[in-house]
Amino acid sequence: NAGVTQTPKFRILKIGQSMTLQCTQDMNHNYMYWYRQDPGMGLKLIYYSVGAGITDKGEVPNGYNVSRSTTEDFPLRLELAAPSQTSVYFCASSPYNSPLHFGNGTRLTVT
Amino acid sequence: KNEVEQSPQNLTAQEGEFITINCSYSVGISALHWLQQHPGGGIVSLFMLSSGKKKHGRLIATINIQEKHSSLHITASHPRDSAVYICAPPEGSGGSNYKLTFGKGTLLTVNP
Repeated sequence: NAGVTQTPKFRILKIGQSMTLQCTQDMNHNYMYWYRQDPGMGLKLIYYSVGAGITDKGEVPNGYNVSRSTTEDFPLRLELAAPSQTSVYFCASSPYNSPLHFGNGTRLTVT
Repeated sequence: KNEVEQSPQNLTAQEGEFITINCSYSVGISALHWLQQHPGGGIVSLFMLSSGKKKHGRLIATINIQEKHSSLHITASHPRDSAVYICAPPEGSGGSNYKLTFGKGTLLTVNP
């Protein structure tokens, strides 16, 4: 099993550009999550999904969108990138109320 | 919202020392996660526990639900244990993974 796979690992965006962070898992987990980690801060939940076709906002959803058309994939879309979105993004998955499995992260810089 | 306090923020130890990292939270919960973030950035789940104690190799996690406190212990520490350790209780007593509150982490450095 590959676990949770995130792409790309690094990306530099100009202000106003858009991009999609890809996340896929091969463990058949219903729950998937997107987090951002800013320097010196705890992980913050952006969006989560409890199953295909179901998504909901987390603590910091503004400026992001998600979709969950399949159990495996949970892409995160950034529209009109802003410097405040410079961060490290982590995707994770889990069965219900079980330990999380994290991807390796995407380091995004918006300049 | 669950307020999470980890202590210490930074910890430097000599190889072989016994390590304790503490986590206090403000809202009663049913379970809590401990995570390890490697120097390269990857995050691994170490424990999810709802009562008592769990052990995995040299790592031991304990939780006291009534006192709203959890500890992570590392016995016979080794330089490869150097990482950030993160405590994550859920927002409330519901215990849902999708409502976790993450501590800022404890940076552990183990010197040979």
